[in-house]
Amino acid sequence: NAGVMQNPRHLVRRRGQEARLRCSPMKGHSHVYWYRQLPEEGLKFMVYLQKENIIDESGMPKERFSAEFPKEGPSILRIQQVVRGDSAAYFCASSPRTGLGYGYTFGSGTRLTVV
Amino acid sequence: QQQVKQSPQSLIVQKGGISIINCAYENTAFDYFPWYQQFPGKGPALLIAIRPDVSEKKEGRFTISFNKSAKQFSLHIMDSQPGDSATYFCASRRGNEKLTFGTGTRLTIIP
Repeated sequence: NAGVMQNPRHLVRRRGQEARLRCSPMKGHSHVYWYRQLPEEGLKFMVYLQKENIIDESGMPKERFSAEFPKEGPSILRIQQVVRGDSAAYFCASSPRTGLGYGYTFGSGTRLTVV
Repeated sequence: QQQVKQSPQSLIVQKGGISIINCAYENTAFDYFPWYQQFPGKGPALLIAIRPDVSEKKEGRFTISFNKSAKQFSLHIMDSQPGDSATYFCASRRGNEKLTFGTGTRLTIIP
């Protein structure tokens, strides 16, 4: 039973390029969450998605960032025209549903470096 | 944004000692309080969680103590071992909303 799969594990992009981060939730999980972690800092919520729907994007920067979770395939976090400040670890988590008792399972993250 | 305040930022404990990490929350509507453990290069992993209708939950060497009136909860690691050295995050959530995390505590267990 594979866990939450994120790829790539490491991603290097030059300023101005696009970064695409992928997340395949655990089998049977229909809720996906993206978090960003800066060095020596906590986990900052970005976006919460269900299949084909964005439920909460209150943590997403207004520009350059977008996320989707299509009916088929992984969830994608897309960062356009990356800047040095986008360098961080991006974690995806999934849960089978929401409510009491349903915790998140995290992937191992994608470490984005913008040069 | 609702905050979860975590302390200390870093903690050094001798092997066999008790590690204690504290968190305070603001939103009285929060109803789920998990703790996550993260090793370098890995994603956070759920360690233990509690609901506000109980004051304590124990799983092996890990215990959550919950004080609803003070809006505080803490993680106690008994008989701390070098393998417990990691970063620990508390978190809180209301209903179906997303988890809000504390800033983390880097725990180091020394021989």
